[in-house]
Amino acid sequence: EAGVTQFPSHSVIEKGQTVTLRCDPISGHDNLYWYRRVMGKEIKFLLHFVKESKQDESGMPNNRFLAERTGGTYSTLKVQPAELEDSGVYFCASSQSWETTFGSGTRLTVV
Amino acid sequence: AQSVSQHNHHVILSEAASLELGCNYSYGGTVNLFWYVQYPGQHLQLLLKYFSGDPLVKGIKGFEAEFIKSKFSFNLRKPSVQWSDTAEYFCAVISNSGYALNFGKGTSLLVTP
Repeated sequence: EAGVTQFPSHSVIEKGQTVTLRCDPISGHDNLYWYRRVMGKEIKFLLHFVKESKQDESGMPNNRFLAERTGGTYSTLKVQPAELEDSGVYFCASSQSWETTFGSGTRLTVV
Repeated sequence: AQSVSQHNHHVILSEAASLELGCNYSYGGTVNLFWYVQYPGQHLQLLLKYFSGDPLVKGIKGFEAEFIKSKFSFNLRKPSVQWSDTAEYFCAVISNSGYALNFGKGTSLLVTP
């Protein structure tokens, strides 16, 4: 079974630019999560989709972040415009029950 | 506030040494507890979990963890570490009223030959 796939694995952008991260969950997993780890800090929850609906987006830092999940399949996380403090590793995860499977993450560097 | 604390941020051990990584949480009510591991260049993987029952849980690769409710702790242990255990270890909690994992800051373990 394919795991959770994230693209790109690395992204370096300038402050003010836009970046879109993509996550392909495990097929059939209704739950999709985004997490972020800023260097030296803990992995923080950003938001949770159940199928195509946002169940909880309380962890989203601000309105520069926009997540979508088209048709309940893959998800995108757009940062526009990016700021320096947005640098970190963005993890996507999916689950059908309690067992959560993580992707390898996208390392975002804003310069 | 709900939180997960991992006491050791960086640990260096020689092969065959015993390992114990501390994890404490501050949540009211029932919790589900997890340890995840991230090997260099790989994704986060589940080491073990505790939902209920025997508070001593065994996971993959010889790891175990003990849930002590009175101490709000879920420490990870391994009697004899190997070089291949070099990785970052994360304690995480889901409260019964939630669904998202709440992580500690992680412990970076380096095992030297």
